Amino acid sequence: AQSVAQPEDQVNVAEGNPLTVKCTYSVSGNPYLFWYVQYPNRGLQFLLKYITGDNLVKGSYGFEAEFNKSQTSFHLKKPSALVSDSALYFCAVRDPFSGTYKYIFGTGTRLKVLA
Amino acid sequence: KAGVTQTPRYLIKTRGQQVTLSCSPISGHRSVSWYQQTPGQGLQFLFEYFSETQRNKGNFPGRFSGRQFSNSRSEMNVSTLELGDSALYLCASSRGGAGDNEQFFGPGTRLTVL
Repeated sequence: AQSVAQPEDQVNVAEGNPLTVKCTYSVSGNPYLFWYVQYPNRGLQFLLKYITGDNLVKGSYGFEAEFNKSQTSFHLKKPSALVSDSALYFCAVRDPFSGTYKYIFGTGTRLKVLA
Repeated sequence: KAGVTQTPRYLIKTRGQQVTLSCSPISGHRSVSWYQQTPGQGLQFLFEYFSETQRNKGNFPGRFSGRQFSNSRSEMNVSTLELGDSALYLCASSRGGAGDNEQFFGPGTRLTVL
């Protein structure tokens, strides 16, 4: 069965330090991978996606993610965290060949950037 | 271009009642998906509609139902509300094609069941 795991419920990082939010997936073939961010009382906002091509993808607000097929991971990274990055982050996967058009989300990781 | 809109933003109901939530997708988008978000559970997929047809369904009881209209607007209905139905309900739209990419989310409807 398709699944997405975000192993950390919360990640704390000091402002200015690099941050990593982890995501692993279980989907056969070549999935589409996404990261979304959610601020309090808001819907999810798209950050970035991996469809094909370069394993390092760049997205909004200085975020990037690295697709690693052998480790089935798609970790979200930022070289220098800001307090305003504090939010809930979701990883999602879609199997484009399953015929279901269904997106599967992880349980979310709360990022806290400390001043 | 206007984003995904959801109405109402907040709802308070009592057990046993029913509720209807509405979602208007981005213009030109034909796919609408619904998710339930609760603390600790993340986003649970409810169902997806494409061109007025339910194309995918999650593992929710039959009390949860939906439909999509010819203008792609979608409604979700929950009957016989239970306390556990309290959640943020999110709607997302996309073009819905085979090579489609990201979904665009609305702000959600916060449902509280007393």
